[in-house]
Parts: sequence; structure tokens; C-alpha cells
Amino acid sequence: GEDVEQSLFLSVREGDSSVINCTYTDSSSTYLYWYKQEPGAGLQLLTYIFSNMDMKQDQRLTVLLNKKDKHLSLRIADTQTGDSAIYFCAESPNTGGFKTIFGAGTRLFVKA
Amino acid sequence: DGGITQSPKYLFRKEGQNVTLSCEQNLNHDAMYWYRQDPGQGLRLIYYSQIVNDFQKGDIAEGYSVSREKKESFPLTVTSAQKNPTAFYLCASTPRDDYGYTFGSGTRLTVV
Repeated sequence: GEDVEQSLFLSVREGDSSVINCTYTDSSSTYLYWYKQEPGAGLQLLTYIFSNMDMKQDQRLTVLLNKKDKHLSLRIADTQTGDSAIYFCAESPNTGGFKTIFGAGTRLFVKA
Repeated sequence: DGGITQSPKYLFRKEGQNVTLSCEQNLNHDAMYWYRQDPGQGLRLIYYSQIVNDFQKGDIAEGYSVSREKKESFPLTVTSAQKNPTAFYLCASTPRDDYGYTFGSGTRLTVV
């Protein structure tokens, strides 16, 4: 079945850029999402990208999509300690509905 | 402010008991979802409802039940048939045609 894979951990220094990677298998994926989860909290939608786009930028966040390789990345510029969290990649063939598949999440550690 | 309220934040259950987790939204969203989160795993869909008085099983519905009598409310009952209920439970909602979920802050259920 469909799957979304992410590396489990990433550690960066404060002020550096972070790049979190994700691969997915469903070729019918239309929408790809990045969510952020802080300790003990729910998930917060950070950004999303349509499959017909290559890149989307939103302030410090840049999403890159390589549809041929089914690879999605999230770059966080000037990473701050407040960015420490778990980041989930997710894909869906429709508008965020019940067919959304989540990755296991990448835990980002930001060292001061 | 609009959002999703989950209660309680922490819940302890004895073996053999049924417990009900509350989820209320004031976003006027049509669809609501229940996910289960275990450490190091992605979110797994338990049940979803796209309209009042209708709901569908997700990937791991066994041992759970739901109701959707009001648009705002989507309670989840964890029954004694659920063999391993200790987990973090997340409720989410979406409008009919929008991108990405809005999540509640979660309920942590522990079997004692």
C-alpha cells in the first residue's frame, strides 16, 4: 500500500538551515503537507504544496517537490530553538481527507 | 477563537473499562477524524465522519466506536475490546474542500 518515509532524527545548530526529507510511494498524490508537533500537543499545519508545483516558499520555510523521484523536502532557514519539534510529512490524493497518509515524523533538535 | 477542543488531556483506564474521549469543534467543519499516535509511528486513522449521522471505519477501527449526532461533536469510545489502548489520541477536522487538517491538542490515554 501507500507509504511515506522520513528519517527519524535531525540535529542542527541554532542559526543554521535545517532540511527534512520525505519520500512517498503513491503516484496519485495530489497534495503534500508538512505538519509540526510540539511536545504534548496536536499537529499544526505548516504548509502544503500541490503536486503540479516544484517549490513553495513561506517566510523561513521552503518546500521542494521532485515528483519524478517522489521526494519532498522542508527547509527551515535560520533555525531557532523554538523550531525544535517533530515534523510530519503527509500525502493525500484529495483535499486533506480520509486518504491522508502520514510519515512517522522527524524529530528536529536545535542546539543553542 | 475557533478551534478543536479535546478532553480530558490525560485519561487513565482500568482493564475492562470503556472510556469516552471528547472532541468538539466550533469551526463549522463538515468532516471530523480520530487518529491514534504511538511513539515512532505515523498517525493511524481510527474513524472518520464526513457528515452528521454518518461515519466510516479507518485502518484500525477494531475496539473503538464513535457517534456523530451533531456537527460540532465526534466522541470516541475506547472499548474493553481494544487490547492495547495506551496511546495519544488526536481529533481533527476539515471543511468540505480545504487543504490540511486542524488538530485538537490530544488526549493521552493510559491503561493502569
